[in-house]
Amino acid sequence: DAGVIQSPRHEVTEMGQEVTLRCKPISGHDYLFWYRQTMMRGLELLIYFNNNVPIDDSGMPEDRFSAKMPNASFSTLKIQPSEPRDSAVYFCASSMMTDYGYTFGSGTRLTVV
Amino acid sequence: GENVEQHPSTLSVQEGDSAVIKCTYSDSASNYFPWYKQELGKGPQLIIDIRSNVGEKKDQRIAVTLNKTAKHFSLHITETQPEDSAVYFCAASGRDSSYKLIFGSGTRLLVRP
Repeated sequence: DAGVIQSPRHEVTEMGQEVTLRCKPISGHDYLFWYRQTMMRGLELLIYFNNNVPIDDSGMPEDRFSAKMPNASFSTLKIQPSEPRDSAVYFCASSMMTDYGYTFGSGTRLTVV
Repeated sequence: GENVEQHPSTLSVQEGDSAVIKCTYSDSASNYFPWYKQELGKGPQLIIDIRSNVGEKKDQRIAVTLNKTAKHFSLHITETQPEDSAVYFCAASGRDSSYKLIFGSGTRLLVRP
């Protein structure tokens, strides 16, 4: 298995633009998590899905952030409009119900200028 | 909600020495405690985990101990090598058997050759 695949690896965008981050979880994993990592706040859970259904989105910072999982092999995290304070590394992770162990993707480094 | 504190934030050891990283958690309902290693430019990678029915677990040079009464757990790395240099994160599961993990703030370990 190729692991959790995230795209793009790097994204630089101007303030006010829409940004879409993509994630392909490991096949057979039924949980998918979106985390954000910054120096100040560390690893923060934004939202997670079970069997494509959002379970807990309490970590989503505000209405500018939205996440979808249209099928078991694909999820997106969208920021519209983006702001400089959204600059961070965004990680996607997946796991199986019977095993807590997360597998993280390589992350998307987002820079909003 | 769950809160995880991790110490120290940085740790420098001589090659061959041992390194110990400690974490405390707040939610007595937590029952799963993984440790992740993050190398530069990569996502966190699971290196060892422990569940609440076990007090200690070893995997070669790495060991984790858990004290549920005191609500703390520790990572022990023996015979450290330069390739152990990375950022290490502890985590604890959320309450009500939720599958989300709450991460500590991370420890930057430097192993001096």
